[in-house]
Amino acid sequence: NAGVTQTPKFQVLKTGQSMTLQCAQDMNHEYMSWYRQDPGMGLRLIHYSVGAGITDQGEVPNGYNVSRSTTEDFPLRLLSAAPSQTSVYFCASRMTSGSVYNEQFFGPGTRLTVL
Amino acid sequence: AQTVTQSQPEMSVQEAETVTLSCTYDTSENNYYLFWYKQPPSRQMILVIRQEAYKQQNATENRFSVNFQKAAKSFSLKISDSQLGDTAMYFCAFMNIGGAQKLVFGQGTRLTINP
Repeated sequence: NAGVTQTPKFQVLKTGQSMTLQCAQDMNHEYMSWYRQDPGMGLRLIHYSVGAGITDQGEVPNGYNVSRSTTEDFPLRLLSAAPSQTSVYFCASRMTSGSVYNEQFFGPGTRLTVL
Repeated sequence: AQTVTQSQPEMSVQEAETVTLSCTYDTSENNYYLFWYKQPPSRQMILVIRQEAYKQQNATENRFSVNFQKAAKSFSLKISDSQLGDTAMYFCAFMNIGGAQKLVFGQGTRLTINP
C-alpha cells in the first residue's frame, strides 16, 4: 500500500491563480479530510468527507472547494489563491466504524506559497 | 465546539532528561479520544500515543506516557530518557467518539533535545 499520497510537494502561486491539490489513498478508507498547518495554530480542518459523494465543511473552509467522486480521491481546489492561503496542507484518511477507534493516516503534506 | 490548548510554544532539555508537555482541552462530551502526534522536520505526522477517555489507566508506549486527568481536562505527555530523535513539534489532539469524529489539534509545542 502507498498509504496517503499528495501532489505536489511544493507549489508557488501568484495571487488570483487557481490550482488543485491532489490527495489519494489506497486503503479503501471512507473518511478523508484536509487540514492546513500554520505556525502557532496547529492543524485546522478545512473540509472532510465521510464517503463518496458526501463532503462537509470544517473549521476554515472559506476559499476552498472539495469533491469526492471516488473513495480513493479527495482533491482540494483553490479557486482564486490569496496570500492568506500560504500554508502547509495535509490530507488524511481513516476507516469509519461507529464508535470503534480507527487510526488516521496523514499524507506527507504540500507546502503552498501564494505571492 | 471542542478546543485544545498547548500553553508551551517551545521547550528544550538535555539528552537523557525527562520532559513533560502540557495539554488542556475543553469539551462537554463524555466519550472521546486524546492523542499526541509528533512532527519531525520531515513534516510527517506520527501518532505517538492514544488515550480513551473511558479508561482510567494512563496509556504508555515505551518511553512515552501520559497523565490523563479527566475531571481537570488535562492530558500531558511525559518523555523519559529523551533522545536526539525526539526533537520535533508535538501536537495534542482530541476526537469525539461517534458523529463526524473530527480531529481537533492544539497549537503545538516545539521540543528540542540538546546533546
